[in-house]
Amino acid sequence: DQQVKQNSPSLSVQEGRISILNCDYTNSMFDYFLWYKKYPAEGPTFLISISSIKDKNEDGRFTVFLNKSAKHLSLHIVPSQPGDSAVYFCAASEVGDYKLSFGAGTTVTVRA
Amino acid sequence: KAGVTQTPRYLIKTRGQQVTLSCSPISGHRSVSWYQQTPGQGLQFLFEYFSETQRNKGNFPGRFSGRQFSNSRSEMNVSTLELGDSALYLCASSSGKETQYFGPGTRLLVL
Repeated sequence: DQQVKQNSPSLSVQEGRISILNCDYTNSMFDYFLWYKKYPAEGPTFLISISSIKDKNEDGRFTVFLNKSAKHLSLHIVPSQPGDSAVYFCAASEVGDYKLSFGAGTTVTVRA
Repeated sequence: KAGVTQTPRYLIKTRGQQVTLSCSPISGHRSVSWYQQTPGQGLQFLFEYFSETQRNKGNFPGRFSGRQFSNSRSEMNVSTLELGDSALYLCASSSGKETQYFGPGTRLLVL
C-alpha cells in the first residue's frame, strides 16, 4: 500500500512564479520527511528535509511545510527557474528506520 | 567529498542470468541502502546495510540479495533474472538517521 502519496502527477508553472508541490502520508510513525529532485536516468538529488518536531524548514528558494495533524507536507519553490524542471519526489521514514518510502513523484515544468 | 558511485552504469542481460551491481558510498558513510525504480512501481526499497549487517529488507523475492564489505562498499545481486527486473537500481548512503544521498544508478535491461 502506498503510504506516501503525491496526487498531482504534473505541475506547470511560469518562470519567476511559485511552485507548490503537495504530499500526503498515512503512516503516523513517519518522523522524517525529505524532498528529492530527479532528472531522467539519474539518481535523486536531495533538496530539503524536515523533522516531525518542526513545521517549517527553509533553504534558499526551497521551503518545506509540515502539517502533522493533516498528515500533509508541501514544498514551495520561489522563484521557479527553468532548471527546476524535473520530477520531484516526497519521501518519509519511520522512527529508528533508514527505509525511505517514496511518493509517485510530480513532474514540474517551468515555462519561460 | 566524492558522491555515491555505482558501477556499472548500464547493463544488458538475458532472462535466467544473474547480475551483480556495485556501490561505493560517500566517505565516512556506513549505511548503504538499495532501491529499485520502475515506471509501474516507482521507487521501492530493497534493503539496507550497516557495518556489514542487513538491518532492513523490503518486499522483494529472495532472488534479490546484497552484502556490505568492511570498507562500507556494497553489492547487490539478482539471480535468475526476469523481464520484470528491468529497472534503474539506485544506491544511497547515509551517515546517520537523516538524509540519504543517492548515486547515479545502474540501468539494467533484461532481454
